Amino acid sequence: GQQLNQSPQSMFIQEGEDVSMNCTSSSIFNTWLWYKQDPGEGPVLLIALYKAGELTSNGRLTAQFGITRKDSFLNISASIPSDVGIYFCAGQLGSGNTGKLIFGQGTTLQVKP
Amino acid sequence: DTGVSQDPRHKITKRGQNVTFRCDPISEHNRLYWYRQTLGQGPEFLTYFQNEAQLEKSRLLSDRFSAERPKGSFSTLEIQRTEQGDSAMYLCASSLRQGREETQYFGPGTRLLVL
Repeated sequence: GQQLNQSPQSMFIQEGEDVSMNCTSSSIFNTWLWYKQDPGEGPVLLIALYKAGELTSNGRLTAQFGITRKDSFLNISASIPSDVGIYFCAGQLGSGNTGKLIFGQGTTLQVKP
Repeated sequence: DTGVSQDPRHKITKRGQNVTFRCDPISEHNRLYWYRQTLGQGPEFLTYFQNEAQLEKSRLLSDRFSAERPKGSFSTLEIQRTEQGDSAMYLCASSLRQGREETQYFGPGTRLLVL
């Protein structure tokens, strides 16, 4: 089945540093989504990408839809303590009518004040 | 609050018991998804509905699992004869597909513990 490889698995950084994480796949996706999940809660949408090559920002977050449609990255600039959490990439194949998401394994981010 | 809601938030049950979870999607969203998430992993797709029709089921969804979405509004996920391996977070998401674009919004989840 389809798999997403997300890296790094975890990061421990100093407040104010920039962060970068990425996802790669052997499959082509029509949509890439990035979510953040806090312990005991559901994933919260950060950024949605619909077109190959698209670069989208949401505040301090920037994400890009890879030109090959097989990868995406998320950057967080000037990290703050509330950025702590687990970040997931998710791809949507879009073939046929199914909209199911395939998730990466997650990147756990810890920020030291 | 117009987000996705799930009930209950937590459920502890004994092995062999039946459990039922409810999901209320964002109003006017025509698609509703169920996912399962185990510790340290990303969510995995279980099944989805477009309006009241269940259009796809994952191989993860054994015969003990059944989902419904009567009238295309809220949805229920039932697990019969629960097993310890069913312990997980069950997430619901809803979306409104517009052309080729579709963004899923998740609820807070129901955490199930089977003793």
